[in-house]
Amino acid sequence: QVQLVQSGAEVKKPGSSVKVSCKASGGTFSSYAISWVRQAPGQGLEWMGRIIPMFGIGNYAQKFQGRVTITADKSTSTANMELSSLRSEDTAVYYCAREIAAAGTSPNWFDPWGQGTLVTVSS
Amino acid sequence: QSVLTQPPSVSGAPGQRVTISCTGSSSNIGAGFDVHWYLQLPGTAPKLLIYGNNNRPSGVPDRFSGSKSGTSASLAITGLQAEDEADYYCQSYDSSLSGSWVFGGGTKLTVL
Repeated sequence: QVQLVQSGAEVKKPGSSVKVSCKASGGTFSSYAISWVRQAPGQGLEWMGRIIPMFGIGNYAQKFQGRVTITADKSTSTANMELSSLRSEDTAVYYCAREIAAAGTSPNWFDPWGQGTLVTVSS
Repeated sequence: QSVLTQPPSVSGAPGQRVTISCTGSSSNIGAGFDVHWYLQLPGTAPKLLIYGNNNRPSGVPDRFSGSKSGTSASLAITGLQAEDEADYYCQSYDSSLSGSWVFGGGTKLTVL
């Protein structure tokens, strides 16, 4: 049973960066993709990017290209999401989620999700 | 605005049936990509409800069902219960955005 536990809430100044971690337990960390999804207050879900720890290369939503970096540390079964040049609109809850793939079904779906990390950007 | 369009809200009385639509386009649902559904209770992370258009994970009651046709998908909930009151999101993939997972804007279900 895979569980994802995220790091705690952060308060950041505009222009700074934030790094959120997501530690996995259960399952084989390297073999499944981890995605990051954010949710602004009162808003819907927005996919940011993903990484397959086995390959170590992130791919990102166009909107976040150049501002987000997703990495994975296989030795600690931890995925990290770093977002730079923060602005007030980046205030949101950030979730990590494991992707599940199945033959004949595309795209992958997300299960389980981490508990979420609130990032507040304020001067 | 979201790539997939959902009604902002739906409502129904206990015991009734409600449906939530998820409308996409030829670059996502219409291109043959499957649709998945999530339920989100206030202050909690989303939880998988339906995967692959119409499959329920273990533990999800058979009151929940999904379907897909053309560029749209639907989530149906029968025998509405108070604990079904939550936000519901559809998810698929869009090939026009350099390849991107996409969500609907979410639908708030109110049990009257």
